[in-house]
Amino acid sequence: DGGITQSPKYLFRKEGQNVTLSCEQNLNHDAMYWYRQDPGQGLRLIYYSQIVNDFQKGDIAEGYSVSREKKESFPLTVTSAQKNPTAFYLCASGGEYNEQFFGPGTRLTVL
Amino acid sequence: DAKTTQPPSMDCAEGRAANLPCNHSTISGNEYVYWYRQIHSQGPQYIIHGLKNNETNEMASLIITEDRKSSTLILPHATLRDTAVYYCIVTYSGGGADGLTFGKGTHLIIQP
Repeated sequence: DGGITQSPKYLFRKEGQNVTLSCEQNLNHDAMYWYRQDPGQGLRLIYYSQIVNDFQKGDIAEGYSVSREKKESFPLTVTSAQKNPTAFYLCASGGEYNEQFFGPGTRLTVL
Repeated sequence: DAKTTQPPSMDCAEGRAANLPCNHSTISGNEYVYWYRQIHSQGPQYIIHGLKNNETNEMASLIITEDRKSSTLILPHATLRDTAVYYCIVTYSGGGADGLTFGKGTHLIIQP
């Protein structure tokens, strides 16, 4: 099946630890995105990548880092510098007409 | 991205057509209207998009006014599984776009 996969589904982190969220796609899309969603709110853009080995900051990039070494993969690291990391994280890839296809999300909780 | 305005919530009876409005009075000439929905605790799902002509696919129809300042998403025969938050977004089409700006959307509740 074609689509976006994210892992893990749930993630718990102690304060001061870095964690990496996985995002993989087999849709052959060049563009990939990371969003954050807080309860009752819309999605906010963290980082995006339009091509391998290139990425740009979104609206709320502070405390996060990404890499894009392969077309299929766009991992997000939540660093200890992110002051309020507890949230629902969503990865997406972009189709030919800018329609975005989202993964199931990772719910991160800081203990 | 142009700003959109949507009602925070709507109810619709199961089996009836659900009509979700969106205002986007500052849309520019080459921006498209996109609709997504998000079922609770899942990732958003792309529904449909259009520029100025009405569009229809297997999920929904999109009606855009002639002046392009507003649009309506129509779910022709709503089911309980259509209960979700629906987001109206205006942005540029084409690959490599710079991400989407999500508002709070409309929480559509389908009543049995």
